[in-house]
Amino acid sequence: QSVLTQPPSASGTPGQRVTISCSGSSSNIGSNYVYWYQQLPGTAPKLLIYRNNQRPSGVPDRFSGSKSGTSASLAISGLRSEDEADYYCAAWDDSLSGQNVVFGGGTKLTVL
Amino acid sequence: QLQLQESGSGLVKPSQTLSLTCAVSGGSISSGGYSWSWIRQPPGKGLEWIGYIYHSGSTYYNPSLKSRVTISVDRSKNQFSLKLSSVTAADTAVYYCARGVWDCSSTSCPQGYYFDYWGQGTLVTVSS
Repeated sequence: QSVLTQPPSASGTPGQRVTISCSGSSSNIGSNYVYWYQQLPGTAPKLLIYRNNQRPSGVPDRFSGSKSGTSASLAISGLRSEDEADYYCAAWDDSLSGQNVVFGGGTKLTVL
Repeated sequence: QLQLQESGSGLVKPSQTLSLTCAVSGGSISSGGYSWSWIRQPPGKGLEWIGYIYHSGSTYYNPSLKSRVTISVDRSKNQFSLKLSSVTAADTAVYYCARGVWDCSSTSCPQGYYFDYWGQGTLVTVSS
């Protein structure tokens, strides 16, 4: 059971806009930055979004992130076949049990 | 371009100790401001952070794994290592090493921690 909650799957057709949600709590998303990672099949995760909505160099502006309260979202516009991947949200968690990096369970994006 | 490469035993018997090493190239592990992490991913499942180490040797571990984890660094070889003791089948996973970056806001630090460079990962299977 992951600390952050994501839908297990999402889908869209080429050119569409798709959003993936990530729900947490006051000890993680509610008080800290959210990060998004893209994991293409058979490869290591890659940083996609940092500080809630910032894109590292080389990440297309089709990818955008947002945060409100204890939830965050990743939006992908102009969906392309190469966007088919698993997407994970992550955040630093300051809970009574200790500080920790927590991840969502991942969302498998299918481009139909 | 920084590169990380995991190596180690791919098959470990239950109750034994898993040992992996991450070789860093294209940059120094002693570069200030960064830490070096281990993350794992059971087959078909999500990601779990294991812990990090600084070049100084200072470490921090995921509270849920702390009793079984040891991360060490060898600055002369520009590499860091992971040992996980008393393994069970639940420890079967792809293990990744990664560079960790602390993120701070104007009012709070840390405000986040993320991974900007990753190794390709290595599968470790726990089985007799």
